[in-house]
This record gives sequence, C-alpha cells and structure tokens, in this order.
Amino acid sequence: QVQLQESGPGLVKPSETLSLTCSVSGGSINRWCWNWIRQPAGKGLEWIGRLCFSGNANYNANYNPSLNSRVVMSADTSKNQISLILRSLTAADTAVYFCATGNSFDFWGQGTLVTVSS
Amino acid sequence: EIVLTQSPGTLSLSPGDSATLSCRASQSVNSNSLAWYQQKPGQAPRLLIYHASTRAPGIPDTFSGSGSGTDFTLTISRLEPGNFAVYYCHQYGSSPDTFGQGTKLEI
Repeated sequence: QVQLQESGPGLVKPSETLSLTCSVSGGSINRWCWNWIRQPAGKGLEWIGRLCFSGNANYNANYNPSLNSRVVMSADTSKNQISLILRSLTAADTAVYFCATGNSFDFWGQGTLVTVSS
Repeated sequence: EIVLTQSPGTLSLSPGDSATLSCRASQSVNSNSLAWYQQKPGQAPRLLIYHASTRAPGIPDTFSGSGSGTDFTLTISRLEPGNFAVYYCHQYGSSPDTFGQGTKLEI
C-alpha cells in the first residue's frame, strides 16, 4: 500500500514562497496522479492541483484557478517525491496541506500545518 | 466551477440509526465522478465511495452511495460510534475539483 508523507517549513512569512514535499513509499510516483489539497483550521477542503504522469518521466499539471497562477507542482522520480510551490503567501494561505493520490483521493498523507505569519 | 451543496449541515443521530447525507451539484457531474470522504478530528480524510456508488477497498457495506447527474446520497446504516465524523463529497469530473462544505454527523 502506498504511503505519503508531507514535509515543509511550518512557519512562513507573508509575501514569501512556500515549498512543500510529498515523499511517497510503496510504489513509483509515475504510476499515479498526485494532488495537493488544503484545509484551514475548522474549515472545509480546497483542491490546489493535480499532477499526472503521461510517460515514465513526463507529466502534466493543472491547478485551481482560485490560486491565480501562484502555484506550481513538480515531480522528482529519482527521489519519488511530489513538490508544491505557492508564491506570494498571505494569512489566508494558513492551512493544513495534504497530498493525496488519484482522481478520487484513495490515499492521503497525514498533512502538514503551514502558518503564514510575520 | 461546479458548486457542491451538502445537506444537512449537521445531523444528530444515535448509534444504531441510519444516516442519509445529501450532496447536490450546481451542474451535472461528468461520468458520475463523485466521491465521499469521512474525516475525524486531527486526521486526513478517508475515501469511502468513488464513482458515486463504488465502495473503496476495506469500507464496510454499511456505507453506500447512490445518485447521478446532480443529486447524490451517502447512506450509513446501523451507525456505530466510530461513524460520527464530518463527511465531504467531492467531484472530480470537471476542473477544478470541488468539495462540498461538509456534513457533521454527531451523536
């Protein structure tokens, strides 16, 4: 069974750039699609984007338009990791960030809390 | 984007009861690409149902999904204490993916 583990800085200052990593074990990342989803404290879920492989190392990503082109997802097959970059952070980006597999999200990481504060 | 509206917002029931949760889409969900998740405090969501009515591996048959087009239902029969949680629907048939706002199932 595939397992996912998110990692990141925890605390980021406003206007800075967030970089998160999803480390995958139990299978090669180029077999599935990968998603980032976030959840502010006490609130609902928001889909950030999906990255899908179309060949051994080729992939395409699409993103939620609500993030206004601030987001980029990438993959490192040598490390079996998926990455998320989110630019120009504000307090509204404070949330738990999850990575998850597939189109319907079969497997999830436990999430990592990101706080945007000076 | 497709807006998903879940009802009720909160459902108060007792162990042994049956629960019916609704998810209504603002437009038809392509290929019935609708999933349901359960989330407990401090945990990641867990996939229960995908493709509107297919149970995910390991999910007991007390959970069932139905519906098509714009109206979908999650039914939980014979509620157990571990079933009391927040439930979300999610459509993945049209980009961007969207979630409902959640239904809290409480004792």
